[in-house]
Amino acid sequence: SQQGEEDPQALSIQEGENATMNCSYKTSINNLQWYRQNSGRGLVHLILIRSNEREKHSGRLRVTLDTSKKSSSLLITASRAADTASYFCATDDADSSYKLIFGSGTRLLVRP
Amino acid sequence: ETGVTQTPRHLVMGMTNKKSLKCEQHLGHNAMYWYKQSAKKPLELMFVYNFKEQTENNSVPSRFSPECPNSSHLFLHLHTLQPEDSALYLCASSQEGATEAFFGQGTRLTVV
Repeated sequence: SQQGEEDPQALSIQEGENATMNCSYKTSINNLQWYRQNSGRGLVHLILIRSNEREKHSGRLRVTLDTSKKSSSLLITASRAADTASYFCATDDADSSYKLIFGSGTRLLVRP
Repeated sequence: ETGVTQTPRHLVMGMTNKKSLKCEQHLGHNAMYWYKQSAKKPLELMFVYNFKEQTENNSVPSRFSPECPNSSHLFLHLHTLQPEDSALYLCASSQEGATEAFFGQGTRLTVV
């Protein structure tokens, strides 16, 4: 069953602007992750935030987690054309620690 | 390169054919996964193996048959597929539980 839902489904911004993507999930989790996928290729892990963390930074990425609202956001600051990709959130399943469930993704287009 | 290698990268097969997808990782991970990614649908978790033992079978039709002979190799045997099985099949591995997953580049499968 689908765990995460991202919004928006698609986002188009100008280079240099910030991009914010949101993810909502349904069940209790141990951690939440964000991945990036370039067209037709494998996914690349970006960042993991644990359920007891509220915010995490990695370079131009900032992730927040609100377990009370079962939601997370990914902020990409000072976007570049090379950031154009699909971004997915993924959550584990508290009942099955080896189950990593992905949302439907946000397609980000950064215009030069 | 993520350390996870999938072959072949592209595969076209008829509905009566039998073929196999291969995945290999030398990252020392103990969990391996098969995901299916269809157009405009979220990634679907198909199978999970932990230390060579299958821990998840996400209601996948029997025309898909996984095999994990050791912790480094994972196969997906295909037979009598349907056109709707055409998709990108992604293999991933992780060290333990639903932590950072490393993905292969995927096999683009077309069933004709």
